[in-house]
Amino acid sequence: NAGVTQTPKFRILKIGQSMTLQCTQDMNHNYMYWYRQDPGMGLKLIYYSVGAGITDKGEVPNGYNVSRSTTEDFPLRLELAAPSQTSVYFCASRLAWELGSPLHFGNGTRLTVT
Amino acid sequence: KQEVTQIPAALSVPEGENLVLNCSFTDSAIYNLQWFRQDPGKGLTSLLLIQSSQREQTSGRLNASLDKSSGRSTLYIAASQPGDSATYLCAVRPAETSGSRLTFGEGTQLTVNP
Repeated sequence: NAGVTQTPKFRILKIGQSMTLQCTQDMNHNYMYWYRQDPGMGLKLIYYSVGAGITDKGEVPNGYNVSRSTTEDFPLRLELAAPSQTSVYFCASRLAWELGSPLHFGNGTRLTVT
Repeated sequence: KQEVTQIPAALSVPEGENLVLNCSFTDSAIYNLQWFRQDPGKGLTSLLLIQSSQREQTSGRLNASLDKSSGRSTLYIAASQPGDSATYLCAVRPAETSGSRLTFGEGTQLTVNP
């Protein structure tokens, strides 16, 4: 079982560049999430999706966009990279029908914007 | 707004010691609380999930308790081992959020010395 897979693992961007962080899961989970983790901080929710075609903003959505065209994939788009977006990004997923189901995380994408 | 606090931020213990990690939350209206482990450069791995109706959950040497009325949870690790060294995060799912959004604490960095 692959679980939640994120690519790339590392990326360096220049200010103003754009990129897409990829996330895919093979567990047929309806709910998917994007978090960012800054040093010494907890995880902050950027965007989430409760199913294909449905997305919603989390705590810190500014500067990001998402789409959910399939159940498996939930890419995160940075349009105009800024130094404040330097962080580690985690994608996660869980089953929708089981209220107590745990969250499954990918291994993260470490992004540096210079 | 739900806030989650973890104390201490860092803990160093000798191998074999029993230890307790603390997690507190400000809003007692929660669906569940989840404990995660994060190894350096890795994603989060779910350890234990406690439903709001439960008092504790056990897995091997780990025991998590929940006192919803006082807004507190503890993670007890028995007979600690160097392999337990990691950052431990707790996260609560508030009852009033859509999409099963979790609020994370900032984590406790545990070092078990051989």
